[in-house]
Amino acid sequence: SYELTQPLSVSVALGQTARITCGGNNIGSKNVHWYQQKPGQAPVLVIYRDSNRPSGIPERFSGSNSGNTATLTIRRAQAGDEADYYCQVWNSGTGVFGGGTKLTVL
Amino acid sequence: EVQLVESGGGLIQPGGSLRLSCAASGFTVSSNYMSWVRQAPGKGLEWVSVIYSGGTTYYADSVKGRFTISRDNSKNTLYLQMNSLRPEDTAVYYCARSDGYTSGWCFDYWGQGTLVTVSS
Repeated sequence: SYELTQPLSVSVALGQTARITCGGNNIGSKNVHWYQQKPGQAPVLVIYRDSNRPSGIPERFSGSNSGNTATLTIRRAQAGDEADYYCQVWNSGTGVFGGGTKLTVL
Repeated sequence: EVQLVESGGGLIQPGGSLRLSCAASGFTVSSNYMSWVRQAPGKGLEWVSVIYSGGTTYYADSVKGRFTISRDNSKNTLYLQMNSLRPEDTAVYYCARSDGYTSGWCFDYWGQGTLVTVSS
């Protein structure tokens, strides 16, 4: 089965840039989606197809995907960005999520 | 406005059965890929099952043979029949809509979730 690997936690200073990685075998050949989840809430899509932002998502959120690593980048991090972030792909008809990364804004 | 509302969760004994429902509005369930995703307490997201617009279904290995995904087009509702429940099935269960090819079938809308607790 296909596996996605994320760091358990990432810390970023207020106003700085956070990068959250998602590793997978040849993930660059797949469409990667990213979700933000705050405590007690359902996940929210923040990036789809590697680098596209849904309407309503700030331009501070961006994504890239190449080789064996996809990356979610959050510029000018704000306190409100503190959340769990999950990457997701489809593999042979089945959905796959990364283990999730807790982003802490210091 | 797209809305997904899950129901049917609750406390169930190991070995028991439960059927979850996800009532959709603002779009047609049968025209989209629809999935169930679960989250055990304090854990990450786990994809459970999908039903394609054409009716094809797929399951995570952890639920294969025990769970069945289906839909009722007349009610615009998605279901998850869960049999032979185990304590490790305890989780919040979300239904989620996948947008189409141009968006890579991302999960663009999610329900609020329904809690299933499997315990004696």
